[in-house]
Amino acid sequence: DAKTTQPNSMESNEEEPVHLPCNHSTISGTDYIHWYRQLPSQGPEYVIHGLTSNVNNRMASLAIAEDRKSSTLILHRATLRDAAVYYCILRDVGGNNDMRFGAGTRLTVKP
Amino acid sequence: NAGVMQNPRHLVRRRGQEARLRCSPMKGHSHVYWYRQLPEEGLKFMVYLQKENIIDESGMPKERFSAEFPKEGPSILRIQQVVRGDSAAYFCASSPLRERSEKLFFGSGTQLSVL
Repeated sequence: DAKTTQPNSMESNEEEPVHLPCNHSTISGTDYIHWYRQLPSQGPEYVIHGLTSNVNNRMASLAIAEDRKSSTLILHRATLRDAAVYYCILRDVGGNNDMRFGAGTRLTVKP
Repeated sequence: NAGVMQNPRHLVRRRGQEARLRCSPMKGHSHVYWYRQLPEEGLKFMVYLQKENIIDESGMPKERFSAEFPKEGPSILRIQQVVRGDSAAYFCASSPLRERSEKLFFGSGTQLSVL
């Protein structure tokens, strides 16, 4: 049901930037791009979302391609606490595919 | 402002028993989503409810599973006659509105173990 494609896993070194890609080639003009992450043994938590423009918050940055068919979540300095599964989701409240999670990307951060 | 509260945190049931999972959304939130997560897998959408109404239950198994969100009290996910395959983590999430720009707040989940 998920309308996004992400790599299964990625690795990063601590204190280095991490770029997590997401493809959503069938995105509609009104879909928002949301990112959540799930730390081990916890519920998912919101990270960031955007529509067309790049977005920044205290946790991360979201870079959205001009054609909106892909986006990248950027963690500017990975810490060990950022090790989690990161999910890219399209919010489509008009249909029956709202908030469907895919498999996500498992991020491993090496000290 | 307390977050989304789920209880119990852990629930053990024997095959054939009933499991009741409770979710209290954040104050002011009238939209609740339930998800199931099998070990080493992603979150699977089950059902979306808005106070007293089931809006989308396309992810719910047709038998044994039901959900409600009464006017007063928490949302309940009920599993009758549990089987071993029901063992999973069940998460609920809430939001104040159902809009494309709105984020969801998740609880810590209920880990159901069926013996």
